[in-house]
Amino acid sequence: EAGVAQSPRYKIIEKRQSVAFWCNPISGHATLYWYQQILGQGPKLLIQFQNNGVVDDSQLPKDRFSAERLKGVDSTLKIQPAKLEDSAVYLCASGTGLADTQYFGPGTRLTVL
Amino acid sequence: AQSVSQHNHHVILSEAASLELGCNYSYGGTVNLFWYVQYPGQHLQLLLKYFSGDPLVKGIKGFEAEFIKSKFSFNLRKPSVQWSDTAEYFCAVFSRGGSYIPTFGRGTSLIVHP
Repeated sequence: EAGVAQSPRYKIIEKRQSVAFWCNPISGHATLYWYQQILGQGPKLLIQFQNNGVVDDSQLPKDRFSAERLKGVDSTLKIQPAKLEDSAVYLCASGTGLADTQYFGPGTRLTVL
Repeated sequence: AQSVSQHNHHVILSEAASLELGCNYSYGGTVNLFWYVQYPGQHLQLLLKYFSGDPLVKGIKGFEAEFIKSKFSFNLRKPSVQWSDTAEYFCAVFSRGGSYIPTFGRGTSLIVHP
């Protein structure tokens, strides 16, 4: 089966610019997660969807980050405006149910200059 | 808020040596426990998981982990490592009931010398 797809794979922007990431989960997976992974740290959950509803977004910096999952399939994560500390790998994962195995995409490496 | 601690950040072993990576979590309720692995240049992938039942679980490539509820631990073991086990290993915890928020440890970088 096809895995989780993410694009772009790499992005370099200047601070205060905007950026968007796209994720297409494995077909049929109800749950979708966005993580931020800063170098040397583990993935940190930003937002979790179950179908097109938000399960948790308590760690999403809502003043600059937004995410949506239209029609319960693919999802976009946006940062506007970006800060230097947003430089990280942004991971998307999907799964069949809450608290179950997650299947990860390749990630998008963001560099903010 | 729950937290996950991986105390070994960098481990260097020779082939055939035994491996044990520690993982402790802080959540007091029911949890689902995972170990994920990221080989160089690859995606994060599941190594093994524990939901309930036998606290000793076996995963891919000869790895196993033991859940000790009283110690809030889920340590990963392998009796004899291979060069191909060189990777980053992450422990993850999902609290069950309530928010179902997943929390990852900071990871352990394992280098196995041939």
